[in-house]
Amino acid sequence: AQSVTQLDSQVPVFEEAPVELRCNYSSSVSVYLFWYVQYPNQGLQLLLKYLSGSTLVKSINGFEAEFNKSQTSFHLRKPSVHISDTAEYFCAVSVTQGAQKLVFGQGTRLTINP
Amino acid sequence: DAGITQSPRHKVTETGTPVTLRCHQTENHRYMYWYRQDPGHGLRLIHYSYGVKDTDKGEVSDGYSVSRSKTEDFLLTLESATSSQTSVYFCAISGNGGQGIYGYTFGSGTRLTVV
Repeated sequence: AQSVTQLDSQVPVFEEAPVELRCNYSSSVSVYLFWYVQYPNQGLQLLLKYLSGSTLVKSINGFEAEFNKSQTSFHLRKPSVHISDTAEYFCAVSVTQGAQKLVFGQGTRLTINP
Repeated sequence: DAGITQSPRHKVTETGTPVTLRCHQTENHRYMYWYRQDPGHGLRLIHYSYGVKDTDKGEVSDGYSVSRSKTEDFLLTLESATSSQTSVYFCAISGNGGQGIYGYTFGSGTRLTVV
């Protein structure tokens, strides 16, 4: 079975600073990888995904993540954060064959300080 | 999201009482899911459905049952609520397989408190 570990439960950063949220996964077969974002008192929204092809994937609001198969990682980065990025971020994995569900990590709470 | 609604949004119930949460979708998606969200645990899958009357267990299914008698509705029942089931419950739908390659759409959540 696949699993996901998010290495940091909370990440505080200052506005306009860079940030990296770490995600490692475990699976014996090929995977799809996702980052979801949850703003306060809302459901989760898809931020970006890796399905195949280029290992660097980007979102429309400046986040990017790189799939690293050898390190089984899918870290999320942003070069300059804004107050509006304050949210909880979840990494998730599914397998490419036969999967019927997403498995989520524990979440990382990103707090942006002015 | 407009295509998925959960009810109720908030509920307080007493230990030992039955509780049913409802998820309703207007997207005609095949796959529906119930997750619970707890601090430090992220989202954990309770049960999911891959079609009408087709359901399967997730990783934390003990104490929960589900039913799906039509495509648009997926019900989660706590037969006898316990304090450990105090949580935020999210329903999600997926339209093209369970892998989520087009993303899951999540409801706004139900905050359940068992006292």
